[in-house]
Amino acid sequence: AQRVTQPEKLLSVFKGAPVELKCNYSYSGSPELFWYVQYSRQRLQLLLRHISRESIKGFTADLNKGETSFHLKKPFAQEEDSAMYYCAISGGYQKVTFGTGTKLQVIP
Amino acid sequence: EADIYQTPRYLVIGTGKKITLECSQTMGHDKMYWYQQDPGMELHLIHYSYGVNSTEKGDLSSESTVSRIRTEHFPLTLESARPSHTSQYLCASRGTGLYQPQHFGDGTRLSIL
Repeated sequence: AQRVTQPEKLLSVFKGAPVELKCNYSYSGSPELFWYVQYSRQRLQLLLRHISRESIKGFTADLNKGETSFHLKKPFAQEEDSAMYYCAISGGYQKVTFGTGTKLQVIP
Repeated sequence: EADIYQTPRYLVIGTGKKITLECSQTMGHDKMYWYQQDPGMELHLIHYSYGVNSTEKGDLSSESTVSRIRTEHFPLTLESARPSHTSQYLCASRGTGLYQPQHFGDGTRLSIL
């Protein structure tokens, strides 16, 4: 079975501080991993996927197969980054499972 | 414009009523999904579909049912609503191929009195 764990329900950081949102997964094959973001009163939307290896809104995420992790990082937090962040995995059969989410609060 | 649409956005209804939540997408996606989410909380997969006439139950047991008669349409039905069904329901679709992201609708916020 595929599973995603996001250990922090809430992460509070000051503006300009580095951010790391943790995501660990369990899946026996080669999963597809994603980060989604939900800003207040907006739709859930894709932020990053592991295959693209790009930086979106200053965020990056590296897949570490040895540690089965896909942590989301940003060197300098901005107030507009405050949102709910969800890590998601898609394994066999195209089922997509989400983690419990982490609320990022950037303090001015 | 290619998008995914959910109606209604909000529904307040009494116990015992039959409810259908609509979800339509104009992106030609084969895969569609229903999630249950209390605001700001975890998303629970309740149903998904690979294509027409294919539906599967998700990770969270649900008393709802779904159908997929047309590619673009994936309605969710509750035969007899109860207060425990009060939640937000999100619909998503996904294209074919590896690493395709899901596209989400605005959601339906359901309150059962």
